[in-house]
Amino acid sequence: GQNIDQPTEMTATEGAIVQINCTYQTSGFNGLFWYQQHAGEAPTFLSYNVLDGLEEKGRFSSFLSRSKGYSYLLLKELQMKDSASYLCAGVTNDYKLSFGAGTTVTVRA
Amino acid sequence: GAVVSQHPSRVICKSGTSVKIECRSLDFQATTMFWYRQFPKQSLMLMATSNEGSKATYEQGVEKDKFLINHASLTLSTLTVTSAHPEDSSFYICSASLAGQETQYFGPGTRLLVL
Repeated sequence: GQNIDQPTEMTATEGAIVQINCTYQTSGFNGLFWYQQHAGEAPTFLSYNVLDGLEEKGRFSSFLSRSKGYSYLLLKELQMKDSASYLCAGVTNDYKLSFGAGTTVTVRA
Repeated sequence: GAVVSQHPSRVICKSGTSVKIECRSLDFQATTMFWYRQFPKQSLMLMATSNEGSKATYEQGVEKDKFLINHASLTLSTLTVTSAHPEDSSFYICSASLAGQETQYFGPGTRLLVL
């Protein structure tokens, strides 16, 4: 199975760093995605980790540990526009995504 | 690249009518398209996987006769909600992926309200 767990909400200050953790069952997965979703809009792709380690992409970085069934998304230099829901999703070898419930990040001035 | 469109973006219909939602990949050919449903403050739930030229594969608990999926070409998949009821009101989102690739690109979603 691929139960995906992530915190429901997080709040941070503009300019700060926030780390969103995601844990999952390790059976049958090929990789882990992070998507950003603003209210009422479709998700947009942020990152995809297949191998263990940290992948950095500008202000956003994603980490994966396959043996621990653990990933995190790191958002640096937070901006107001980063207020959104962040979805962790595991992908199986039949290319299906299983999404977590999402973490709502609120950035305050 | 990798742009996916959906039409309509919003639809209101009467209970008992059918609604068709289109999903198009604009700048690439999508051998596989996925249909999701998202209720307020919940995550996306996969409804079905649509492969061009073959029957869709439905997830457990999703009625294939109620949610008709047609993937007639490499750039178009349609979802028809038949005999819609108020409980079908939701945000329907499609995604598309290139052959052999795991990254899915999402359409902007269709908000359905059944009165």
